[in-house]
Formats: sequence, structure tokens, C-alpha cells
Amino acid sequence: EPEVTQTPSHQVTQMGQEVILRCVPISNHLYFYWYRQILGQKVEFLVSFYNNEISEKSEIFDDQFSVERPDGSNFTLKIRSTKLEDSAMYFCASSVRQGALRNTGELFFGEGSRLTVL
Amino acid sequence: GNSVTQMEGPVTLSEEAFLTINCTYTATGYPSLFWYVQYPGEGLQLLLKATKADDKGSNKGFEATYRKETTSFHLEKGSVQVSDSAVYFCALRYYGNNRLAFGKGNQVVVIP
Repeated sequence: EPEVTQTPSHQVTQMGQEVILRCVPISNHLYFYWYRQILGQKVEFLVSFYNNEISEKSEIFDDQFSVERPDGSNFTLKIRSTKLEDSAMYFCASSVRQGALRNTGELFFGEGSRLTVL
Repeated sequence: GNSVTQMEGPVTLSEEAFLTINCTYTATGYPSLFWYVQYPGEGLQLLLKATKADDKGSNKGFEATYRKETTSFHLEKGSVQVSDSAVYFCALRYYGNNRLAFGKGNQVVVIP
């Protein structure tokens, strides 16, 4: 069963440092996403990516954040200068199989990358 | 705006007990509604969904009915097992796009 994989599972960093979280979406999916969950709070949408560009982003996704699909398989989230409040679980997801007749709305999520900013 | 509210706090219950997790939503238009589940050490995975009013989603003994009149999508299971221990997230899909709005999630612990 194809799945979304994320690395690292846990990263600890100092405030102000750059962090890159990596994701390998399901190979024939067309849409990619990043969500995050701060401890005890809701899972929040950050950004969606389609056809090699951002299709939508939330107000959380400011200039400190960027996404990239550097090759045919990886999808990365970069936080340029981390802040304490960036500490959260970050989830990558993908959806919509290439050639699918319709969009079922189902997202396929990875296990998450826990980011701790000290 | 569009949002989802889940009942507060973890849920602890005994095996074979009846489970209900409340979910209400606020949305414009006619969103699709979902329950996702996260088992320990795994990613979120779709449990069930409903795309229009009065639809009932069901899977693995879980059910939820899309109630437009009460803007609710409560999750139920008649007889839980230890293997149902997980975090359950209610979500809605914004009309016209793929973005999901999630609730906080509820930790469910089933005791043998």
C-alpha cells in the first residue's frame, strides 16, 4: 500500500535556525499539503501545492515559510528562522491520484514530524 | 468562517462500551464532512465521510450522520475494542477546494 513518508520524525533546533522538513508523497498524486498541530490545539492548514506552485496558503504561512518540490518525489517545508511558537507536529499529505475520474476529498497523511524549538 | 468543534477532553471507556464523539461545524455552503483517525505511531487516515445532508458514513463499525439541521457529524460505535484506541479528528472540506478544516481531536482510550 503506497504511503506518505516524512523525515525526520523529530527535530530539535535552536530559535533562529533554519529547518527543512521532508516528505515523499504518494507517487501518482497531484496535490500536496502541509498541516501542523501545536500541542493541544487544532490541526491547522498551512499550504497546498499543485502543478509546481502554491495553490493556497493560510495566514500562518508567512514569509518565514516556503515549500519546494525539488525533484519528482520530494516535497519540502522550510522554516527560515524558527521561533518558539513554531514548535508543533507537522503533517504532510497528498491527494488526487493522477487520472482519477473524480476528487473524493480524501487526503493521505504521513506520520508527522515533530519540531521542537528551544 | 468555516470551522469544526469537537467535544473537550480525552475519552476513556471499557471494551464493548458505546462510544460517541461529538462534532459540530460552522460552514458556508455545503461542505463535505470527514472523520480521520490516528493510531499510535501512524499518520492520520480517513475513517469515514459524508458529502451531503442525511448521508451516513460508516467503516469498521463506526458511523456518523451528516445532520444539516443541527450542523453536526457525531461519531458513534456500538461496541469498542482495545484496538480502537486512537485519536479521532473531525474535519470539513471547504466547498470548491481540497483544504480541510480540522477539530482538535479526541484521544480515545479503551480499557480491556
